[in-house]
Amino acid sequence: DAKTTQPPSMDCAEGRAANLPCNHSTISGNEYVYWYRQIHSQGPQYIIHGLKNNETNEMASLIITEDRKSSTLILPHATLRDTAVYYCIVRVSGSARQLTFGSGTQLTVLP
Amino acid sequence: DAGVIQSPRHEVTEMGQEVTLRCKPISGHDYLFWYRQTMMRGLELLIYFNNNVPIDDSGMPEDRFSAKMPNASFSTLKIQPSEPRDSAVYFCASSLVLGGNQPQHFGDGTRLSIL
Repeated sequence: DAKTTQPPSMDCAEGRAANLPCNHSTISGNEYVYWYRQIHSQGPQYIIHGLKNNETNEMASLIITEDRKSSTLILPHATLRDTAVYYCIVRVSGSARQLTFGSGTQLTVLP
Repeated sequence: DAGVIQSPRHEVTEMGQEVTLRCKPISGHDYLFWYRQTMMRGLELLIYFNNNVPIDDSGMPEDRFSAKMPNASFSTLKIQPSEPRDSAVYFCASSLVLGGNQPQHFGDGTRLSIL
């Protein structure tokens, strides 16, 4: 799986959009970008994933650059409950190899 | 929809005792995964099942660890005898299918402390 790079921490004001970047410059053509988050004392939570098109679901939007070397997870209206560590993962579709979480980004939503 | 359900949420026991962790995957999911998370090593895959059959147990640390999936709605991870270094948070996850880029959905984990 390709390596990803994320900033260690970010702050966001409650109600504002949180934009979390991820670099994956070595991504290959059959690798998807997945985003998970882990709230303290809970299991990792799947957020969204995509291959090359932008994706949106009820939780977030995923913007993938045209060259696919980076992506941004957008939480449109962050709440205090969105405070968590966010992990960007690149992996081949259908891979059962373990999910390898890097250091992630600690997002703190401030009141 | 009910998510992945794990029990117990917390387990504290003495070294040498048998520990059994339980997991109920999401109904209809064909794949079940057991992970262990520690500060030192992060998230490690221990074993995964497809249609109740163990497919890859290469992550199981020692013979003291065993996992079973007697039916599609239940799995156990057993440690016997337990040791202090087994202290960690153990997560169970399930996914619909392996192909088709389906994500893994996690339970809230069992926080295991071996004294």
